[in-house]
Amino acid sequence: AQSVTQPDIHITVSEGASLELRCNYSYGATPYLFWYVQSPGQGLQLLLKYFSGDTLVQGIKGFEAEFKRSQSSFNLRKPSVHWSDAAEYFCALPGGGNKLVFGAGTILRVKS
Amino acid sequence: DSGVTQTPKHLITATGQRVTLRCSPRSGDLSVYWYQQSLDQGLQFLIQYYNGEERAKGNILERFSAQQFPDLHSELNLSSLELGDSALYFCASSYGGGRFTGELFFGEGSRLTVL
Repeated sequence: AQSVTQPDIHITVSEGASLELRCNYSYGATPYLFWYVQSPGQGLQLLLKYFSGDTLVQGIKGFEAEFKRSQSSFNLRKPSVHWSDAAEYFCALPGGGNKLVFGAGTILRVKS
Repeated sequence: DSGVTQTPKHLITATGQRVTLRCSPRSGDLSVYWYQQSLDQGLQFLIQYYNGEERAKGNILERFSAQQFPDLHSELNLSSLELGDSALYFCASSYGGGRFTGELFFGEGSRLTVL
């Protein structure tokens, strides 16, 4: 069955530092992949998605992610983190039909 | 603002009771999804409706049921509530027709506390 693993439950970075959040997937073929962000007290919002083609995808808020088939990974990156990026980040893939299967999430803390 | 409205935002009730959570999807969206978010289970897909019909079912308990009305709003009914049902319940919507885009628009959730 398709699944998503986010190995890091919490990550703390300093404001202005670079960020990489890890996501590994298990899927029978090349999957569609997504990153969502959940700010405190808010619902989830789509950051970016990968369907096919260029393996480096750009998203909103300055985020990007790189699909690496050989590593079954889809890591999220940002060159310089802002305090407003503190949130929980979820990697996801289709779970059959039109639903998404989400990873456990990574909570990002930003220290000033 | 995603355009998805959920009510109530917070709900406190007792074990054994029944509650109804309501969701109004984004204008033009035909699909509604319900997810449960809890500390131990994470984000779990419960059920999806498309234009009034059940489209997909996930880890939804028999004590829970949902429906989507002709005006496309949806309700999630939770009955015989147990302590373990305490969670944040999200509704999400998407157009649902044509190619699956994976872009779901989430409401802010309804936080249910069962005492």
